[in-house]
Amino acid sequence: AQSVTQLGSHVSVSEGALVLLRCNYSSSVPPYLFWYVQYPNQGLQLLLKYTTGATLVKGINGFEAEFKKSETSFHLTKPSAHMSDAAEYFCAVSEAGGSTLGRLYFGRGTQLTVWP
Amino acid sequence: ETGVTQSPTHLIKTRGQQVTLRCSSQSGHNTVSWYQQALGQGPQFIFQYYREEENGRGNFPPRFSGLQFPNYSSELNVNALELDDSALYLCASREGQLDTIYFGEGSWLTVV
Repeated sequence: AQSVTQLGSHVSVSEGALVLLRCNYSSSVPPYLFWYVQYPNQGLQLLLKYTTGATLVKGINGFEAEFKKSETSFHLTKPSAHMSDAAEYFCAVSEAGGSTLGRLYFGRGTQLTVWP
Repeated sequence: ETGVTQSPTHLIKTRGQQVTLRCSSQSGHNTVSWYQQALGQGPQFIFQYYREEENGRGNFPPRFSGLQFPNYSSELNVNALELDDSALYLCASREGQLDTIYFGEGSWLTVV
């Protein structure tokens, strides 16, 4: 079974500071990994995804994440936070095959606050 | 712009009533899935449809049902509404099984 743990339900950073949002997963098969962002009263927007190949994945808005199989982690980073980055961030995992192909398992989310 | 449109955006229902939520996907998106996102939680998978057949279901009771139509639209139906059904319901679609999943803006359901 798949599961996702996001460490820290709330993260606060100053504008210009490094953003680090943590995600660990469990999966019995090679996973696909995703980060989504949700702004207030909106749906989910894909930031980036890892399927195969290069383990460092670059996404939109300057975000990137690194897949570390040995640590079962997929942490999201951004070198310099901007006020517009304030939102809820969700890490998700999906199986790369099998009957539940494509089904996403989400973490509980991390609310990012950016202080001026 | 994801090309996935949901309606209505907000609605209020009374406990015990029935509700239908609608989703319109991009042309060619044969797979549609529905998620329930309770306040302060991550989205939870309800079920998935591929070419008008349900091919995956999460831990939701049978009173949650769905339909997918040939014109790439779909419905989520919930019968005998309970207070705990209050949530944001998200529709997601994709063309192939491994393609990028696109989410709609969601339908906010409040059960009173």
